[in-house]
Amino acid sequence: SQQGEEDPQALSIQEGENATMNCSYKTSINNLQWYRQNSGRGLVHLILIRSNEREKHSGRLRVTLDTSKKSSSLLITASRAADTASYFCAPVAVNFNKFYFGSGTKLNVKP
Amino acid sequence: DAGVIQSPRHEVTEMGQEVTLRCKPISGHNSLFWYRQTMMRGLELLIYFNNNVPIDDSGMPEDRFSAKMPNASFSTLKIQPSEPRDSAVYFCASSSAQALNQPQHFGDGTRLSIL
Repeated sequence: SQQGEEDPQALSIQEGENATMNCSYKTSINNLQWYRQNSGRGLVHLILIRSNEREKHSGRLRVTLDTSKKSSSLLITASRAADTASYFCAPVAVNFNKFYFGSGTKLNVKP
Repeated sequence: DAGVIQSPRHEVTEMGQEVTLRCKPISGHNSLFWYRQTMMRGLELLIYFNNNVPIDDSGMPEDRFSAKMPNASFSTLKIQPSEPRDSAVYFCASSSAQALNQPQHFGDGTRLSIL
């Protein structure tokens, strides 16, 4: 299965600190996507990184991809209380036939 | 722009009853996905459609579940008969891509409780 597995399962930090979440997967991918889910809401797309990309930025978000290690990381810099949410990665296989979410990292940013 | 719209937001019904969940994707999107989320199993892909045609329904738990997409702007997920273990939050998502190389846009889900 190419299901992404996030690590850690839970992370608690103070506002202003950086948060790093990791994702590992098992098969070759075309792209890998990161999503955020606030409590009681649907998932919101954050960043899509393609297999030929190594790093991508969007505002305070930085995503890296290492296809040789089959892993990705999401860094949130200068975290805010509003960043409190669950974060999911979703690796997409090269043949595009499946789309799986991992179990997520639950991030708590304390004000 | 309106996002993905799901209805109802909450549904409470008794075991054995038929349940129908509805989804209106974002206009112009040609892929639609149904997911189920529980604490125990996380987020599971049930089925996805491309241009109204079911592409992969391997995640549909059993014959009690069925999904249709009669046109590009509407889809239903039906459970008949419903069981307590079907209690979960059901999400619909849509995407502008035929292949899974574009972001998915999620609705806010239907919280289903089967008593």
